[in-house]
Amino acid sequence: AQKITQTQPGMFVQEKEAVTLDCTYDTSDPSYGLFWYKQPSSGEMIFLIYQGSYDQQNATEGRYSLNFQKARKSANLVISASQLGDSAMYFCAMRGLRAGNNRKLIWGLGTSLAVNP
Amino acid sequence: DAGVIQSPRHEVTEMGQEVTLRCKPISGHDYLFWYRQTMMRGLELLIYFNNNVPIDDSGMPEDRFSAKMPNASFSTLKIQPSEPRDSAVYFCASSRPGEGTDTQYFGPGTRLTVL
Repeated sequence: AQKITQTQPGMFVQEKEAVTLDCTYDTSDPSYGLFWYKQPSSGEMIFLIYQGSYDQQNATEGRYSLNFQKARKSANLVISASQLGDSAMYFCAMRGLRAGNNRKLIWGLGTSLAVNP
Repeated sequence: DAGVIQSPRHEVTEMGQEVTLRCKPISGHDYLFWYRQTMMRGLELLIYFNNNVPIDDSGMPEDRFSAKMPNASFSTLKIQPSEPRDSAVYFCASSRPGEGTDTQYFGPGTRLTVL
């Protein structure tokens, strides 16, 4: 069975510092994709970054990067130079990529990040 | 480009009433997803469509819920009759496979309150 685990219900970080949000996953699919979304207090779900299981390099997108460790089945999100606007819930999600796979994303329960001034 | 559009943004109704939520996916996206988010259960996939055809409705809670996609640019999620436990934020998302990531892009959500 596929599963996403986010073990940190809440995190605090000082403005301008880096923070790592943990995500571990379990899957039997040989090929899969990992996604991170941000949900600020306004409620919208915002796509941040994607990592494919066969990608040779860790994904980066501006201040967001993904620390992908396949052997450990972890896909941690790193936010560099935190800003007050980064305060939000962050969700990790996964989907198998084999042809014919269900398009359903498996979601973690999220991590609440608070950036302190 | 316009993102996923949902209406209404907020809906307050009384138990027993019919509720219809609407979604317009991103143009060119051929997958459409309906999610429900609550504090207790997190984000749940209710149903998704491919090319207007329902593919997986295993997340639809019960017969009170129904979803349709009459064309590529419009979908509805209907609850009849509504109950207080249906109070949640309902999201619509769309994606276009073949871009590599098959990323789902979400609408702003409809916050439903059933009194």
